[in-house]
Amino acid sequence: EVQLVESGGGLVQPGGSLRLSCAASGFTFTSYWMHWVRQAPGKGLVWVSRINGDGSSTSYADSVKGRFTISRDNAKNTLYLQMNSLRAEDTAVYYCIRDSYEGFDYWGQGTLVTVSS
Amino acid sequence: EIVMTQSPATLSVSPGERATLSCRASQSVSSTLAWYQQKPGQAPRFLIYGASTRATGIPARFSGSGSGTEFTLTISSLQSEDFAVYYCQQYNNWPYTFGQGTKLEIK
Repeated sequence: EVQLVESGGGLVQPGGSLRLSCAASGFTFTSYWMHWVRQAPGKGLVWVSRINGDGSSTSYADSVKGRFTISRDNAKNTLYLQMNSLRAEDTAVYYCIRDSYEGFDYWGQGTLVTVSS
Repeated sequence: EIVMTQSPATLSVSPGERATLSCRASQSVSSTLAWYQQKPGQAPRFLIYGASTRATGIPARFSGSGSGTEFTLTISSLQSEDFAVYYCQQYNNWPYTFGQGTKLEIK
């Protein structure tokens, strides 16, 4: 059974940092692109970042470029999102997602990040 | 960036009736379109890919159609568990983009 379990969310002050983790199981982790998508309270889904199977290729939304870094540890089957210089507008539930090449087929339960003083 | 526009924003339908949700792309995405369902407090659930193929375990009352720029998600006979927010997403051009969602509510 495919499982994606996020952790690391919480309350952080503006300008602060946080690292999200996503533990993956039930599939061959290295065979898939992985993504982070976020959802601000009461709002829609917004793609944040992606990484390929061996970690050599990454992409970011313009809104987080230069502040967020996606990475993965294939030995630990874990995806990460390092978030620096956090802003109030980064407040959202962050989802870890597997890319099936035909859409996003598995989503984690999400982890809430709140940026507030 | 391809803009995905869903309509209507809110759709009120009675249980047992048919619901039709629309999604329009700002340029052609061929058939590289997916639909997701999201209930309050839950992660989105993968429903449809390739515009018309149901994902594993999705009931046959869900069907998708369309290609190019116009797409439709149809739920043939609404069950109580189908009332949720539905999102479309194109995965033809990077960055992949979502529509703003259609809330399907009980009439």
